[in-house]
Amino acid sequence: SQKIEQNSEALNIQEGKTATLTCNYTNYSPAYLQWYRQDPGRGPVFLLLIRENEKEKRKERLKVTFDTTLKQSLFHITASQPADSATYLCALDVNNDMRFGAGTRLTVKP
Amino acid sequence: NAGVTQTPKFRILKIGQSMTLQCTQDMNHNYMYWYRQDPGMGLKLIYYSVGAGITDKGEVPNGYNVSRSTTEDFPLRLELAAPSQTSVYFCASSYSPGTGTLAKNIQYFGAGTRLSVL
Repeated sequence: SQKIEQNSEALNIQEGKTATLTCNYTNYSPAYLQWYRQDPGRGPVFLLLIRENEKEKRKERLKVTFDTTLKQSLFHITASQPADSATYLCALDVNNDMRFGAGTRLTVKP
Repeated sequence: NAGVTQTPKFRILKIGQSMTLQCTQDMNHNYMYWYRQDPGMGLKLIYYSVGAGITDKGEVPNGYNVSRSTTEDFPLRLELAAPSQTSVYFCASSYSPGTGTLAKNIQYFGAGTRLSVL
């Protein structure tokens, strides 16, 4: 069956450390993958898109990798701050549809 | 800077009641979507529209209906509310310059409607 799994429901780290979130998928062959941020009581907000032929994408303190052989994307936040605390969702395009993972709730402690 | 606006923010329905969740966007996006989000689950696509007058089913369309008479508006209708429809509903929009794969674009989400069916 097709699945999108994000590494853990919750991740707690100390301010200043690098947060690494994982998105694994099975039985999909997405042409691209997106990462979104969702704050409590709000809709998701787009962060980054990475295409299947791109290995890595960066935006300020954010970095995304995409390994189509491992069927995995890693999302890194360097020098994390308490303001980075949120739920992060990965999303794959699947036959004219978008499929979202359940998300990982990141808490950055001061 | 309104973006995607959803109303109402909260609603409690009794089993069997009907209601319409409103969604409007001011970005002139051609694509619009309705998702539901249940605790611990990813967003599930209910219906989507590629332009005015055109709608199609997503992953979980049963119990819902949509219409798209204008570019801006994409209401979601629940005809006979059931407890299984208790969820948070998100409307989103995106722009795609042509036909083909519908999701190759950034989606902009509304703030959501929290619906409880009791």
